[in-house]
Amino acid sequence: GQQVMQIPQYQHVQEGEDFTTYCNSSTTLSNIQWYKQRPGGHPVFLIQLVKSGEVKKQKRLTFQFGEAKKNSSLHITATQTTDVGTYFCAGPASNTGKLIFGQGTTLQVKP
Amino acid sequence: EAQVTQNPRYLITVTGKKLTVTCSQNMNHEYMSWYRQDPGLGLRQIYYSMNVEVTDKGDVPEGYKVSRKEKRNFPLILESPSPNQTSLYFCASSLFGRGYGYTFGSGTRLTVV
Repeated sequence: GQQVMQIPQYQHVQEGEDFTTYCNSSTTLSNIQWYKQRPGGHPVFLIQLVKSGEVKKQKRLTFQFGEAKKNSSLHITATQTTDVGTYFCAGPASNTGKLIFGQGTTLQVKP
Repeated sequence: EAQVTQNPRYLITVTGKKLTVTCSQNMNHEYMSWYRQDPGLGLRQIYYSMNVEVTDKGDVPEGYKVSRKEKRNFPLILESPSPNQTSLYFCASSLFGRGYGYTFGSGTRLTVV
């Protein structure tokens, strides 16, 4: 079945360093969503990308949707301790109402 | 305040004892869904509902039941819980297809002994 894979699974960075997580789908996606889950919390919706090659920014976060609409990335510039958490991408399964999540990338930031 | 409310937050139960986790949303969302979260496996969809009386299986539906009799409520039922259903469960809702993403509840941590 359709799969959404994320790498890396874990990332430890020093505060101020950049961070990137990558998301790859086994099939073309109509859109991709990104979520953040703080430790002990619930996932919170960050953004949705729809267009091929789309790039969106939210302050220090840059989200990109690949030209083939099968991959996406989230880049954080100059990480802060408030960026700690697990970042998930999610894409809709074709012709169903399912939303499939990647396994997530857990970010640790050392002050 | 717009939210998804799950109850209970924590539950310890014994194998085979039927239980229900409730989920309610106050945003008039058509779409509701249940996920379970396990270490290393991310969020896996159990069931979803695209509107009242319309439910469908996600990727891991075995051992679970749902119903959608009203738009705001989407309870998750475990008829005969087993230890492999020990997990963190999230309910979520959305205006399906309108780019708003899911709003998640705070989660229910279930332990089956």
